[in-house]
Amino acid sequence: EPEVTQTPSHQVTQMGQEVILRCVPISNHLYFYWYRQILGQKVEFLVSFYNNEISEKSEIFDDQFSVERPDGSNFTLKIRSTKLEDSAMYFCASTLQGNTEAFFGQGTRLTVV
Amino acid sequence: GENVEQHPSTLSVQEGDSAVIKCTYSDSASNYFPWYKQELGKRPQLIIDIRSNVGEKKDQRIAVTLNKTAKHFSLHITETQPEDSAVYFCAATARNFNKFYFGSGTKLNVKP
Repeated sequence: EPEVTQTPSHQVTQMGQEVILRCVPISNHLYFYWYRQILGQKVEFLVSFYNNEISEKSEIFDDQFSVERPDGSNFTLKIRSTKLEDSAMYFCASTLQGNTEAFFGQGTRLTVV
Repeated sequence: GENVEQHPSTLSVQEGDSAVIKCTYSDSASNYFPWYKQELGKRPQLIIDIRSNVGEKKDQRIAVTLNKTAKHFSLHITETQPEDSAVYFCAATARNFNKFYFGSGTKLNVKP
């Protein structure tokens, strides 16, 4: 069964450093998402991406965040200058269409120290 | 935008009993409602979904009901087993289908 893959599984970074989280969505999917989940809390929407551009972003997704689909297979989330409160599990997801099943990656646990 | 409320936040049942988790949504244009199960430290995985043109859907021990008029949908798990213990999230699609809004989650504990 096809699945969404994310790397790395765990990233520890110092406050103020840049991090790039990588995702490979399912190959024929058209919509891509980043969500985050602070430990013990709900899954929060960050950004959605369709047709090579951001289609929607949340208040969390400020100027420190950016997304890219550099080569037609990878989908990356960059945080330019990490803060302690960015520590969370980051999930990438993809869907074939906007209102079909979302497949989640296994997540990247980001720890900012 | 859409607002999804989920109750209860925790639910403890005896093995073999039924469990019901309820969600409400605010945007009448939402038309797709998935339920995800998340085991500790793992990714959310779809267990069942329902579209707004259907009132009920069942898959073995799991069923989902949707009341469009009242804007609420519920997950029903019958004959619960210890392996059903997990956090369950409901979700609804946004009006423009650009994202899913998730409920706050229900931690289900099935006691053997």
